[in-house]
Amino acid sequence: GNSVTQMEGPVTLSEEAFLTINCTYTATGYPSLFWYVQYPGEGLQLLLKATKADDKGSNKGFEATYRKETTSFHLEKGSVQVSDSAVYFCALSDGDFGNEKLTFGTGTRLTIIP
Amino acid sequence: NAGVTQTPKFQVLKTGQSMTLQCAQDMNHNSMYWYRQDPGMGLRLIYYSASEGTTDKGEVPNGYNVSRLNKREFSLRLESAAPSQTSVYFCASSEQYSNQPQHFGDGTRLSIL
Repeated sequence: GNSVTQMEGPVTLSEEAFLTINCTYTATGYPSLFWYVQYPGEGLQLLLKATKADDKGSNKGFEATYRKETTSFHLEKGSVQVSDSAVYFCALSDGDFGNEKLTFGTGTRLTIIP
Repeated sequence: NAGVTQTPKFQVLKTGQSMTLQCAQDMNHNSMYWYRQDPGMGLRLIYYSASEGTTDKGEVPNGYNVSRLNKREFSLRLESAAPSQTSVYFCASSEQYSNQPQHFGDGTRLSIL
């Protein structure tokens, strides 16, 4: 079956540091890959996505590249801010039409210190 | 921009009580989902509905029932609450393609004493 393995947290960085959160996946088909972010007390919000190999998703300074050869979708940001403190989830969707279930990683809690 | 609306936001129940969590979306999405979020376990799918009139079990369906009342609404019912069902519950909706993102509500924080 499908699975997503995320870098374990929590991760604590200083403001303006470089961020990498690792994500690897196992899937039987050709999944779409997503990063979601969850701020305290809120639901998950889509951060970025990539739907085929070598695609790069980007949003709010975050980037992730769909690497089929290494089955990875690592999240990166060049200079983090305090407002980036949140929990980040990697996820994949590998369903047929009408079966678009997401498989999530366990989440990585990121704290940015001023 | 309401998106996905969940009610209630917080609830405390006693073991054995029943309750229904409500979810409504205004994005005309066909697919809707219920997840639970527990510390260190990410989100796990309880039930989903690919379209009005259909529902299917997810990873952790035991102890829950669902109703897809119409295209907008998808409710989750706990018939006899147990402490193991203490969790944060999220409803989500999406268009009916696997490359489309899911849109989440703000969650219901449920405690079973």
